[in-house]
Amino acid sequence: AQKVTQAQTEISVVEKEDVTLDCVYETRDTTYYLFWYKQPPSGELVFLIRRNSFDEQNEISGRYSWNFQKSTSSFNFTITASQVVDSAVYFCALSPNDYKLSFGAGTTVTVRA
Amino acid sequence: DTEVTQTPKHLVMGMTNKKSLKCEQHMGHRAMYWYKQKAKKPPELMFVYSYEKLSINESVPSRFSPECPNSSLLNLHLHALQPEDSALYLCASSQAETSTDTQYFGPGTRLTVL
Repeated sequence: AQKVTQAQTEISVVEKEDVTLDCVYETRDTTYYLFWYKQPPSGELVFLIRRNSFDEQNEISGRYSWNFQKSTSSFNFTITASQVVDSAVYFCALSPNDYKLSFGAGTTVTVRA
Repeated sequence: DTEVTQTPKHLVMGMTNKKSLKCEQHMGHRAMYWYKQKAKKPPELMFVYSYEKLSINESVPSRFSPECPNSSLLNLHLHALQPEDSALYLCASSQAETSTDTQYFGPGTRLTVL
């Protein structure tokens, strides 16, 4: 069975603060993919990153960075110098070798000006 | 271009109405999905189409009827819905029906059933 846990329900920060979103997953598969999606108030799920289980390199994209640690089954996401436009719900998701995405419950990030 | 479009953006319908949601993608993707998302919850998979054929139905009630007229279009026909069916309905597509391919989502249709 696949399971994704996002323990933080809501995070509120002031603009320019860094924010880290935790994601812990469970799977028995040796090959799997991890994703992060952003859902702003408009509703669309915006794809941010995909990482396969064999690639443990951390990744940085602008103000976004991801830390994948297979040893702790975690795939954490950091927003550096947060902006108001980063306010959204962020979902971590796991996909084993089939079509199905298992989503975490989501973390609501509110960035205050 | 990673765009999936959905119409309408908002829909209000009565329990006796028949309506349809539409989804379109022009990325050449061969897998398309319908998800239902209730407020403050993650999306829940409803249907998967692969190469225009229904491959997965996640035990969805028959009042929801999907249709894939061609590889770019996906419809969701609604009939005799209940108020608890009010939700955001998201369409997604991916290159193929495997975990190696990222699912790209549309903006969703916010459905209210009165």
